[in-house]
Amino acid sequence: AQSVTQLDSQVPVFEEAPVELRCNYSSSVSVYLFWYVQYPNQGLQLLLKYLSGSTLVKGINGFEAEFNKSQTSFHLRKPSVHISDTAEYFCALSPNAGGTSYGKLTFGQGTILTVHP
Amino acid sequence: GAGVSQSPRYKVAKRGQDVALRCDPISGHVSLFWYQQALGQGPEFLTYFQNEAQLDKSGLPSDRFFAERPEGSVSTLKIQRTQQEDSAVYLCASSRDRAGEQYFGPGTRLTVT
Repeated sequence: AQSVTQLDSQVPVFEEAPVELRCNYSSSVSVYLFWYVQYPNQGLQLLLKYLSGSTLVKGINGFEAEFNKSQTSFHLRKPSVHISDTAEYFCALSPNAGGTSYGKLTFGQGTILTVHP
Repeated sequence: GAGVSQSPRYKVAKRGQDVALRCDPISGHVSLFWYQQALGQGPEFLTYFQNEAQLDKSGLPSDRFFAERPEGSVSTLKIQRTQQEDSAVYLCASSRDRAGEQYFGPGTRLTVT
């Protein structure tokens, strides 16, 4: 079984400040990792993904995340946030079990990022 | 091209009514997923289709939930005899192949009164 834990339910931050949204996961098999963003009344949009290779992954809108296998973490970071980054962010995983696996996603509970002027 | 669309966007049902939620995936996408997102929670997997075949329905919470994709494109999620605990946003996602990036629709918000 797999699980994803987002350690902060809400993160308030001032505009232009750095931010880190924390995500830990648990899985008995190798996984792919994702961060999604959800704006009010909209569907989920993929920010970035880790499939293999470099542990530092860069995504859209200036976000990046680092895969840490030993700590089973995949924290999301942005060096300087904007008001428009206010949204809910979800960390997710899907199993990488070779030819039989497909993209079934397990999500965390979400972190609401609020950027204040 | 067009993204994933879902209809209706909002649905209010009285307890005990049946509802049908529609998902139009991106044209040509083989895989289709349904997720349920309760208020304040992350989405939870319901079911998965590869073309018209329903390969995983392990997340359907009860036998009142039924999904189909008869021609391998449009999918319908049906909930019979709705209960208050069925109130949630139902998200549909499609991907080009089995393990490809999933593109999500805007969801259908179901409220059972």
